[in-house]
Amino acid sequence: DGGITQSPKYLFRKEGQNVTLSCEQNLNHDAMYWYRQDPGQGLRLIYYSQIVNDFQKGDIAEGYSVSREKKESFPLTVTSAQKNPTAFYLCASSMDTTLPQHFGDGTRLSIL
Amino acid sequence: DAKTTQPPSMDCAEGRAANLPCNHSTISGNEYVYWYRQIHSQGPQYIIHGLKNNETNEMASLIITEDRKSSTLILPHATLRDTAVYYCIAVGDDKIIFGKGTRLHILP
Repeated sequence: DGGITQSPKYLFRKEGQNVTLSCEQNLNHDAMYWYRQDPGQGLRLIYYSQIVNDFQKGDIAEGYSVSREKKESFPLTVTSAQKNPTAFYLCASSMDTTLPQHFGDGTRLSIL
Repeated sequence: DAKTTQPPSMDCAEGRAANLPCNHSTISGNEYVYWYRQIHSQGPQYIIHGLKNNETNEMASLIITEDRKSSTLILPHATLRDTAVYYCIAVGDDKIIFGKGTRLHILP
């Protein structure tokens, strides 16, 4: 079945460490997105990519980095510069930036 | 993108129609109204979208006022599985922006 796979579902990080969250899609979608969600809040856009080898910062990009070397993959690195990384991270994809986005089931990141 | 306003929470009895309102008074002519829902600890799920005309699919109906300043999502026969946060979003040429949505509680 086509869809978006995020792994792992739960992730723990020690302070000062970088950690990479995986997002893979087999929907042949051009656009991919990363969102952050804090408890009781809506989704905030971190980064998005409309084509391979290109990406743009969203509203809260500081302390995060991404790459888009393949159409299917859009990994997110949470760097040690992100001071409050504990959150629920959601990856999404769409044919373009105006069509319905398909979401993965998220990765919950916690700091030890 | 236009800002949308939704009530923070609503209750609905199981089996009844759930009517979720959304105000988007600054929506522009080329912006669509999209609805998503998010069940706890899962990714949001697309429900329906529309521009001017009312729309219906297997999940819900979307009623957009003639002046397009507000809309209502209707779940015709709510079940316990419809308990979720519902997001109303105005989408144009720019990226999609999610607000806090409406937390819908379906009461048995």
